[in-house]
Amino acid sequence: GNSVTQMEGPVTLSEEAFLTINCTYTATGYPSLFWYVQYPGEGLQLLLKATKADDKGSNKGFEATYRKETTSFHLEKGSVQVSDSAVYFCALSGSNDYKLSFGAGTTVTVRA
Amino acid sequence: EAGVAQSPRYKIIEKRQSVAFWCNPISGHATLYWYQQILGQGPKLLIQFQNNGVVDDSQLPKDRFSAERLKGVDSTLKIQPAKLEDSAVYLCASSLDGTTDTQYFGPGTRLTVL
Repeated sequence: GNSVTQMEGPVTLSEEAFLTINCTYTATGYPSLFWYVQYPGEGLQLLLKATKADDKGSNKGFEATYRKETTSFHLEKGSVQVSDSAVYFCALSGSNDYKLSFGAGTTVTVRA
Repeated sequence: EAGVAQSPRYKIIEKRQSVAFWCNPISGHATLYWYQQILGQGPKLLIQFQNNGVVDDSQLPKDRFSAERLKGVDSTLKIQPAKLEDSAVYLCASSLDGTTDTQYFGPGTRLTVL
C-alpha cells in the first residue's frame, strides 16, 4: 500500500538558518504529494503540494520538488523564522482513490 | 469563508464511557473525512463520506466506533465504550468532492481516556 517516511525530529534551529525535512514515499501509480503544517493550537493546514513528477510546490518561502526517480519530496526553506515553529507532515494522495497517507510528522523549533 | 468546525475541542472521559464528536464541514463540500491522530503519529483515516454515503470505513473499529452524516452536511463520530488507547486527537476534514485532492482540516478534538 501507500506509505510515507519522513525525517524524525525534533529539529531545533536558529533564526535565518536553512531548513530541510526529508520525505520519501512508496506508492503505486502517480500520487500527488503534500506538505501540511500544524502550528501550536491549530489544525492542519496545507502548506504546498505537487501533482506530477518534477513539479515544484512553493508557499511562504518553503519549497519541495516531486522527484519520481528518488521517490522523494523534501521540504526546504532558506531562512527560517520563529513563526515557522510547527509540526510538518508529509503526505501523499493515491492516484486512484485520493486517500491521504501521512508521515509521522517532524517538530521544528526555531529559536531567536 | 468559514472553515471546518469541530466541537468539543477537548474531552476527558473514563474508560468504558461513551463520547461523541461533531463536525460541520465547509459549505458546499461533498466529501467529509474523520481521522485519528495519536500523539507522535500522523493522522490515520477512519472513515470517508461522500454526501451522506460511506465511501471507505475500512479502518474504523466498528465494534466501538460509529459515524453518521445525516443530510450530507454535519457529521458525528461516536465511541462506545471508550478504551485507553482511544486517547488521541480526532480530526475532521472536508473537500469539494471525492475527486479533488485538497482536504481542509478542522482544529480537532483532543480526547483523553482515563
